[in-house]
Amino acid sequence: ETGVTQTPRHLVMGMTNKKSLKCEQHLGHNAMYWYKQSAKKPLELMFVYNFKEQTENNSVPSRFSPECPNSSHLFLHLHTLQPEDSALYLCASSQEAGVSTDTQYFGPGTRLTVL
Amino acid sequence: ELKVEQNPLFLSMQEGKNYTIYCNYSTTSDRLYWYRQDPGKSLESLFVLLSNGAVKQEGRLMASLDTKARLSTLHITAAVHDLSATYFCAVGRGAQKLVFGQGTRLTINP
Repeated sequence: ETGVTQTPRHLVMGMTNKKSLKCEQHLGHNAMYWYKQSAKKPLELMFVYNFKEQTENNSVPSRFSPECPNSSHLFLHLHTLQPEDSALYLCASSQEAGVSTDTQYFGPGTRLTVL
Repeated sequence: ELKVEQNPLFLSMQEGKNYTIYCNYSTTSDRLYWYRQDPGKSLESLFVLLSNGAVKQEGRLMASLDTKARLSTLHITAAVHDLSATYFCAVGRGAQKLVFGQGTRLTINP
């Protein structure tokens, strides 16, 4: 595997379910990100991890819980979601967050549908 | 608060024509990115612009940055169908998060 991978690619869940999204980067980067892409909104940053430490939580509801066990893996744990949480969830990685020459590389995304 | 606006949001053009997508941002920044997204796929990095007057070109796409006007442009020369996609600009400052524009959906017709 190369680049940034995400699993699953598609997920349908009920509002009472608990599920997790997984992201893995094979680029040797130190920063990882979760973004939400809804149909009619700009891409929204949710969380940033830099060297495994969370450095940004963009006022995300607690029903979304991130976990970064190491610099290569990032999870997004989901529980009691709402239908409006249905979106494409994108993971990205970069060499180091906040550095001016840093470029983020995106995974293919997980298309989440909440029923 | 940093805000980023793109225009137009939708653009339909014919092959062989030239056009420009504009990206305006509200406060000073030290980096600007252009990304491409194909339907159902992820974002692909196209350009990183770091200084006033920076110009970068790849094939039929050319991006430029005017930090004084807080404006970046993505110019498409002699468009071909393969360039149909949604294009995003994103702006960052220091350690702050990147803020993305709404995206410009470009459709190039034969």
